[in-house]
Amino acid sequence: EAQVTQNPRYLITVTGKKLTVTCSQNMNHEYMSWYRQDPGLGLRQIYYSMNVEVTDKGDVPEGYKVSRKEKRNFPLILESPSPNQTSLYFCASSLYSNAYNSPLHFGNGTRLTVT
Amino acid sequence: AQKITQTQPGMFVQEKEAVTLDCTYDTSDPSYGLFWYKQPSSGEMIFLIYQGSYDQQNATEGRYSLNFQKARKSANLVISASQLGDSAMYFCAMREGNAGGTSYGKLTFGQGTILTVHP
Repeated sequence: EAQVTQNPRYLITVTGKKLTVTCSQNMNHEYMSWYRQDPGLGLRQIYYSMNVEVTDKGDVPEGYKVSRKEKRNFPLILESPSPNQTSLYFCASSLYSNAYNSPLHFGNGTRLTVT
Repeated sequence: AQKITQTQPGMFVQEKEAVTLDCTYDTSDPSYGLFWYKQPSSGEMIFLIYQGSYDQQNATEGRYSLNFQKARKSANLVISASQLGDSAMYFCAMREGNAGGTSYGKLTFGQGTILTVHP
């Protein structure tokens, strides 16, 4: 089944403890991206990648890192999580990077709580 | 200025009736795509339907159709024959061709409309 898989689905951690949220897609998609969703602020892009080894900042990149060593994987790293990073995180991918008509397909989300 | 505006925070509809969810957008890019997503209470984001800026016909996908009025910059979602399972948050989103040189390929979302279907 074609899908974007994020893990874990739920995560509770403490301030400062490094964590990684994994994202993998099996559709050979070129473009991958991370979003966070917060009440009142909506969905905001954190980072995106147009292809292997090509990543760039979105609207809210502070406190996050990403890498794209393989086409299928795009992990999100929080080196030193803080409570303001408590959020619902989505990984998304689309077939083409340079096509405005290419829909993004989302993973099921990761609900992160930082205490 | 907001790029995507959804003016209805909440909508109610009777089961089996049709409902229209409003979306207006703002862009100077001639090439753009408009998308609708459904987010049930379980949290996942489900792609429903797409309309391209150059498309002459309104998009349809099963019970979903998109009422695209380019001159008015609106892209309303119409759900026909509503079902209880349609109760969810609905987001309108846009992807621009040039994205102004920043955040290439970004999907910009509206604030969403919560749809409740009554039996």
